[in-house]
Amino acid sequence: DGGITQSPKYLFRKEGQNVTLSCEQNLNHDAMYWYRQDPGQGLRLIYYSQIVNDFQKGDIAEGYSVSREKKESFPLTVTSAQKNPTAFYLCATVGERYEQYFGPGTRLTVT
Amino acid sequence: RKEVEQDPGPFNVPEGATVAFNCTYSNSASQSFFWYRQDCRKEPKLLMSVYSSGNEDGRFTAQLNRASQYISLLIRDSKLSDSATYLCVVNGGGSYIPTFGRGTSLIVHP
Repeated sequence: DGGITQSPKYLFRKEGQNVTLSCEQNLNHDAMYWYRQDPGQGLRLIYYSQIVNDFQKGDIAEGYSVSREKKESFPLTVTSAQKNPTAFYLCATVGERYEQYFGPGTRLTVT
Repeated sequence: RKEVEQDPGPFNVPEGATVAFNCTYSNSASQSFFWYRQDCRKEPKLLMSVYSSGNEDGRFTAQLNRASQYISLLIRDSKLSDSATYLCVVNGGGSYIPTFGRGTSLIVHP
């Protein structure tokens, strides 16, 4: 079954701790993205990667880091430098017609 | 400057009604257009692509007006299950970076 998986679905952390969100895909898509969504807000791009071992900052990269060591995986680390990390995090890939496919998301709460 | 704009709504309609949403975009080089549906606390899911000639999928019709730089989504015979937020997404000229609207909320009531 092709798709995108994100884990965990819910994540709770104390302020000051780094946390890594997982994103895996078996769609064989080259490009992968991380977005953040806050209540009542649109999606904001954090990082994207068009190919293995390469990634670019999006609009709100400060306080986040990523890696792309494998085509299938694009983990996102939320560092303690991120001022307001509590949000819904979505991972996505892009298809041949530039349509995006999203994982189920991780809801991160930092207290 | 917002690149993709949508009326946030909510659009509150009775079952069976026809409802239409518009979305305007500012980048005239945009080439790919989509409508997504997002349910509360879930990920967005692709509803339909929007083609220049317009396209229909069951009760849903999408249209593109390049001259006026907007796309539209028409939902006929609304169902309770159509209640969701509808996101407009635009991609510019070969770019892999899509631009999302903030979404339009639809509430269909009995």
